[in-house]
Amino acid sequence: ELKVEQNPLFLSMQEGKNYTIYCNYSTTSDRLYWYRQDPGKSLESLFVLLSNGAVKQEGRLMASLDTKARLSTLHITAAVHDLSATYFCAVGETSGSRLTFGEGTQLTVNP
Amino acid sequence: ETGVTQTPRHLVMGMTNKKSLKCEQHLGHNAMYWYKQSAKKPLELMFVYSLEERVENNSVPSRFSPECPNSSHLFLHLHTLQPEDSALYLCASSQVSTGYEQYFGPGTRLTVT
Repeated sequence: ELKVEQNPLFLSMQEGKNYTIYCNYSTTSDRLYWYRQDPGKSLESLFVLLSNGAVKQEGRLMASLDTKARLSTLHITAAVHDLSATYFCAVGETSGSRLTFGEGTQLTVNP
Repeated sequence: ETGVTQTPRHLVMGMTNKKSLKCEQHLGHNAMYWYKQSAKKPLELMFVYSLEERVENNSVPSRFSPECPNSSHLFLHLHTLQPEDSALYLCASSQVSTGYEQYFGPGTRLTVT
């Protein structure tokens, strides 16, 4: 059974600082997704990582995938308040369309 | 309408009621999903339909009954629910052949009284 673990689960950081959220998973996969969820809202797709070594960047967020280590990272550079949200990673199983989600990282960026 | 839409957005129902949640995707996708999101718990996959066939049912109680009449529409029929079924119910869709990225609807906030 595929298990996905994120850490930290809660992250409070100051504006302007850098930090990394980690997503570990238990079985082989080459499909990993990052989503953002604002309070009371749905999930918004941020990044799709489909191969080992994939790196994607959008604004202050950068995501990477190491399939050998079964690890993805979401790096935040010079955080701003607007990045406050819950971030989920989701891992695709090797066959089929199912995704298994991590518990989410609740990020709060303080002025 | 664009993307994935869900109706109603909020629903309050008694334990003896019957109601249905509706999801519609306007993305031309061929797979649709129901998820349950409860407070402080990871998203739980409930049902998967791929090419209009149910391919997954994750031990969901029979008081939840999905229906997928075509690739654009997905329903979740609810009856005799319990208070612990109160949650945000999210619908998603994806295209099976292009990386399976799932696009989510806004969700239905369900409260069972």
